[in-house]
Amino acid sequence: NAGVTQTPKFQVLKTGQSMTLQCAQDMNHEYMSWYRQDPGMGLRLIHYSVGAGITDQGEVPNGYNVSRSTTEDFPLRLLSAAPSQTSVYFCASRGPQETQYFGPGTRLLVL
Amino acid sequence: GNSVTQMEGPVTLSEEAFLTINCTYTATGYPSLFWYVQYPGEGLQLLLKATKADDKGSNKGFEATYRKETTSFHLEKGSVQVSDSAVYFCALISGGYQKVTFGTGTKLQVIP
Repeated sequence: NAGVTQTPKFQVLKTGQSMTLQCAQDMNHEYMSWYRQDPGMGLRLIHYSVGAGITDQGEVPNGYNVSRSTTEDFPLRLLSAAPSQTSVYFCASRGPQETQYFGPGTRLLVL
Repeated sequence: GNSVTQMEGPVTLSEEAFLTINCTYTATGYPSLFWYVQYPGEGLQLLLKATKADDKGSNKGFEATYRKETTSFHLEKGSVQVSDSAVYFCALISGGYQKVTFGTGTKLQVIP
């Protein structure tokens, strides 16, 4: 199993550009989520999904969209990037006994 | 709402020293508690967990006991190694939709 994979590993954007952060898991987990990690703030939940076709907002959803057309994939879209979205983004899926499995992260720099 | 409070870092210890990282929580219902570890440049990975009061989670020499009376889940290790240098996150799952609440993380640096 590859676990949770994320692409790209690093991205530089200009303000106003859009992009999609990819996330995939091969463990057949229903629950997936996106977090951003900022210094001194821990991990904050952006969006989550409890299964294909079902998504909901976390605590910091503004500026981000998600969709879940398959169990495996859960992409995160930045519609119009802003410098405040400079962060490290982690995708996670949840397996049995509530254990979360994290991807390696995407470092995003918005200029 | 739910919240997790961790001790401020960074924590710097000499190799073979005793480690304690404090974690306290506020939650509705009966949360499950976790410690995750993040090594430099990597994602988080589960270190240990406990799902009910008085349970003790353990892994790789680390331990934490779920204390409902003090709403705490402190992480301990008897003898740290340089390879334990990482950021440690306390977390809980509770309430509707089972969202995870993370602490802000505590950076541990172990020096030879």
